[in-house]
Amino acid sequence: QVQLQESGPGLVNPSETLSLTCSVSGGSVSSYFWSWIRQPPGKGLEWIGYIIYSGTTNYNPSLESRVTMSIDTSKNQFSLKLTSVTAADTAVYYCARHRAGPNDSLVWGKGTTVTVSS
Amino acid sequence: EIVMTQSPATLSASPGEGATLSCRASQTVSSNVAWYQQKPGQAPRLLMYNTSTRATGFPARFSGSGSGTEFTLTISSLQSEDFAVYFCQQYYNWPPKYTFGQGTKLEIK
Repeated sequence: QVQLQESGPGLVNPSETLSLTCSVSGGSVSSYFWSWIRQPPGKGLEWIGYIIYSGTTNYNPSLESRVTMSIDTSKNQFSLKLTSVTAADTAVYYCARHRAGPNDSLVWGKGTTVTVSS
Repeated sequence: EIVMTQSPATLSASPGEGATLSCRASQTVSSNVAWYQQKPGQAPRLLMYNTSTRATGFPARFSGSGSGTEFTLTISSLQSEDFAVYFCQQYYNWPPKYTFGQGTKLEIK
């Protein structure tokens, strides 16, 4: 069974870059599509974007100017960078595997909390 | 952007009762709808995909229906472990731009 584990700083200064990594175990990062989703405190879910093994990406237009995703098949992990963060970017960030295909439901990691504050 | 609207925001029910949760899409999403269950402090867990296919680990008391713009998640006889927040999600667009409903909190009456 594929397991996902997010990692990265829990605190980021305003205007800086948020960087997170999702480590994949029990399966290959080359075998699926992968997404990032976030959930601000007490709020709903926002899809950030996806990446596939070739490095092809697709981002939410609302975040596209600040988001970069990358994938490292040798380490079996993929990453998220979000630039110029503000308090509005404070959220639980989840990585997720697309269940079967590129346009599909999601199987989620445990999530990691990121707070933007000085 | 396809907006997913869930109702009610909060549903109070007793163990043993049934519960019906609704999700409406602002435009057709065919059958490309998933439901997730989220308990406090936990990640969302895939419950239903393609409108009516149960994910691994969920019992038959959970069922999904609908197509186009109207979708329903039904729980036939609530157990204590079913009280949680439920989100719907559409995955109809290409290229994908997934959107989620705001959630329905199913609480014990």
